[in-house]
Amino acid sequence: DTAVSQTPKYLVTQMGNDKSIKCEQNLGHDTMYWYKQDSKKFLKIMFSYNNKELIINETVPNRFSPKSPDKAHLNLHINSLELGDSAVYFCASSRGRLAYEQYFGPGTRLTVT
Amino acid sequence: AQTVTQSQPEMSVQEAETVTLSCTYDTSESDYYLFWYKQPPSRQMILVIRQEAYKQQNATENRFSVNFQKAAKSFSLKISDSQLGDAAMYFCAYRSARGGSNYKLTFGKGTLLTVNP
Repeated sequence: DTAVSQTPKYLVTQMGNDKSIKCEQNLGHDTMYWYKQDSKKFLKIMFSYNNKELIINETVPNRFSPKSPDKAHLNLHINSLELGDSAVYFCASSRGRLAYEQYFGPGTRLTVT
Repeated sequence: AQTVTQSQPEMSVQEAETVTLSCTYDTSESDYYLFWYKQPPSRQMILVIRQEAYKQQNATENRFSVNFQKAAKSFSLKISDSQLGDAAMYFCAYRSARGGSNYKLTFGKGTLLTVNP
């Protein structure tokens, strides 16, 4: 049973395109996150939703827009992709805002050419 | 803002030996959580161990243990009896115990651990 799943796992696209990454968790958690891991392996929070409410929105270009249709899903839409967007994007979830343990998805490797 | 520093970009250990990975952090808060995550080549992020700042006792999970020095803001990970499967990138992470947007995980830059047979 997959706890946190992401689709696709690999995404190759050209500059200027718009793409989406989907995330789903079947853990019954109510808080979900998006992290970006750059080419140097540095991980940084991008967004977080709690019960479909945006609660963390780090300094991220407006081209990135998260969408949470329900508590089990948090999708990431990226407009006008740039070379610098190439990275691995991780979705994570936790039970409640204060839960210390976050469960991560397998990551989506995005390559922009 | 909190920062997490891992001063060892790479470490290596012989199989069955013990290795210690270093982590320091900077915070003005008194209540927080610290974590070590493992990322093998499969890139899956796996929680190895966690420590609550209010607990004086160091956390232990099987072969993994931490040395938490709150005053020194140090949080090292000791891996005993190293196994080939321990080879991975290890990330130290900090999370505030306060609410709002403060509970995000702040990661260090990672330490790549190689285990030699």
